[in-house]
Amino acid sequence: DIQMTQSPSTLSASVGDRVTITCRASQSISYWLAWYQQKPGKAPKLLIYKASSLESGVPSRFSGSGSGTEFTLTISSLQPDDFATYYCQQYDSLWTFGQGTKVEIK
Amino acid sequence: EVQLLESGGGLVQPGGSLRLSCAASGFTFSPYCMAWVRQAPGKGLEWVSTIRGSSGTTSYADFVQGRFTISRDNSKSTLFLQMNSLRAEDTAIYYCAKCRSAYGFEFDSWGQGTLFTVSS
Repeated sequence: DIQMTQSPSTLSASVGDRVTITCRASQSISYWLAWYQQKPGKAPKLLIYKASSLESGVPSRFSGSGSGTEFTLTISSLQPDDFATYYCQQYDSLWTFGQGTKVEIK
Repeated sequence: EVQLLESGGGLVQPGGSLRLSCAASGFTFSPYCMAWVRQAPGKGLEWVSTIRGSSGTTSYADFVQGRFTISRDNSKSTLFLQMNSLRAEDTAIYYCAKCRSAYGFEFDSWGQGTLFTVSS
């Protein structure tokens, strides 16, 4: 089974900060990686798919990069609506989520 | 607009059974892969099972261990998850999700989730 490891687990940041979250796969998954945002009490929302493709309707301040085993999600200028938990997910072999990264207000 | 509406949650005793349903609308249901994802209270997302659109091929997470069965009724645009031999650790919000394609890929739409608790 493919394991996904996110870092950090929690990130404290301020509005306007550039934020980067890392996701590592236990084996190569090519570019079969998605990023989701989840707010408390809500369903997850797809942000990025195929490692770097922006889902329709998602603000351009979100971007994804990487391939193989190492991936990043970057928020170029953190907005108040962005404080949430972010999950990576591989879909190269079945599906596996990372443990999540909570972005909180500094 | 894609809508996914889960139902069937509640309280179940350990060892019991439950069937979750997910009513889909706003898209042509039959070609698409569909999935169940769960989230235990205060924990992260965990993939449970997927059923592909065209072939009906099913996949399960290891922890299911033959206890759960995913199925679909394309005539009613409904996804199901039959869960047997339930354990306390199965307590979670269960989300229904639509895959991007018939085969799989990412989950581009999600329901609001249904909660069930396994407890005596």
